[in-house]
Amino acid sequence: SQKIEQNSEALNIQEGKTATLTCNYTNYSPAYLQWYRQDPGRGPVFLLLIRENEKEKRKERLKVTFDTTLKQSLFHITASQPADSATYLCALDAEGFQKLVFGTGTRLLVSP
Amino acid sequence: GAVVSQHPSRVICKSGTSVKIECRSLDFQATTMFWYRQFPKKSLMLMATSNEGSKATYEQGVEKDKFLINHASLTLSTLTVTSAHPEDSSFYICSARQGIGELFFGEGSRLTVL
Repeated sequence: SQKIEQNSEALNIQEGKTATLTCNYTNYSPAYLQWYRQDPGRGPVFLLLIRENEKEKRKERLKVTFDTTLKQSLFHITASQPADSATYLCALDAEGFQKLVFGTGTRLLVSP
Repeated sequence: GAVVSQHPSRVICKSGTSVKIECRSLDFQATTMFWYRQFPKKSLMLMATSNEGSKATYEQGVEKDKFLINHASLTLSTLTVTSAHPEDSSFYICSARQGIGELFFGEGSRLTVL
């Protein structure tokens, strides 16, 4: 069956450290993978998109890697801040770009 | 980024009534709109995909007669929860995109059925 799993439901780290979130997928062959941030009671906000032929993508303190052999994406937040506390969701296109399917999400808590 | 407006943000209704939620793309034409449902502390569950001018494609297990989706124009899609029951209480989120790539999400609608 098809699955998109994010390694942990919750992740607690200290301010200033690097947060690393994992997204693994099974039985998908995405052309690209996306990461979103969701705050409580709000809709998700797009962060980054990485294509299958890209190994790494960066945006300010964010870095995403994409390994199609391992079927895994890693999402890093460097120099984390309490304001980074949120749920982070990975997503990938399925069925020839007809729909976007989301992973289980990881709640990140950055403590001062 | 592009803006997607979703209304109402909160709605409370009695069991047996119908509720309509609107989703509008304000500054772009959305070729595809998606409707998701989210339970507390859970991820987004895709309910259906709608393309302008055609019938929505529903995910397995989603009742198309209960959740009516209409995508009447390139900037408007509506979700109507018909004959709502308490188990339909949830957070419903719409999203839109132009072509392929990133999705732009509405702020979500919290439905409470008494």
